[in-house]
Amino acid sequence: NAGVMQNPRHLVRRRGQEARLRCSPMKGHSHVYWYRQLPEEGLKFMVYLQKENIIDESGMPKERFSAEFPKEGPSILRIQQVVRGDSAAYFCASSPPVGYEQYFGPGTRLTVT
Amino acid sequence: KNQVEQSPQSLIILEGKNCTLQCNYTVSPFSNLRWYKQDTGRGPVSLTIMTFSENTKSNGRYTATLDADTKQSSLHITASQLSDSASYICVVSLPNDYKLSFGAGTTVTVRA
Repeated sequence: NAGVMQNPRHLVRRRGQEARLRCSPMKGHSHVYWYRQLPEEGLKFMVYLQKENIIDESGMPKERFSAEFPKEGPSILRIQQVVRGDSAAYFCASSPPVGYEQYFGPGTRLTVT
Repeated sequence: KNQVEQSPQSLIILEGKNCTLQCNYTVSPFSNLRWYKQDTGRGPVSLTIMTFSENTKSNGRYTATLDADTKQSSLHITASQLSDSASYICVVSLPNDYKLSFGAGTTVTVRA
């Protein structure tokens, strides 16, 4: 049973470009969470999604950031018009339909040049 | 102010020695306190999970303790190995809540 998968593992974008980060949850998991980790800081909650629904996006910046978890395919975290401050590690976690035990993916390291 | 504070920020120990990491939290009431290990370039992996009624939980050479009265937890690593070099993160969650409050982590470096 594969764990949570994220791709790409590393992503470099120039300022103003778009970044798309993908997350495939563990088999049987229908809940996905996205976190951002800045250097020397703890992980910060961004958004919680279930299939085709955004449950809580209170941690996500109001502009430029969006997330989806379609019926088919991976969850996508999309950052439009990236700025240098968006450089961080973005982690995805998934949990089963019952309970909130979260399993983390390896992360995507975004660098904005 | 972060609701989960960890100390020290980093430490270096010799292989075979023991060490103890500290976590103070203000999240209340809380449901679970977890310790995660995060290797460089990887995602966090759960080491121990404790409810508010538990005082101690072990996982191999890792032992976590919890004092709910003082809102403190510690993670003790026994007979450290080079593979223990990683960041150790204290995480607190509210009852029936998916939101996790993360500490900034303690970076442990084990040297031969």
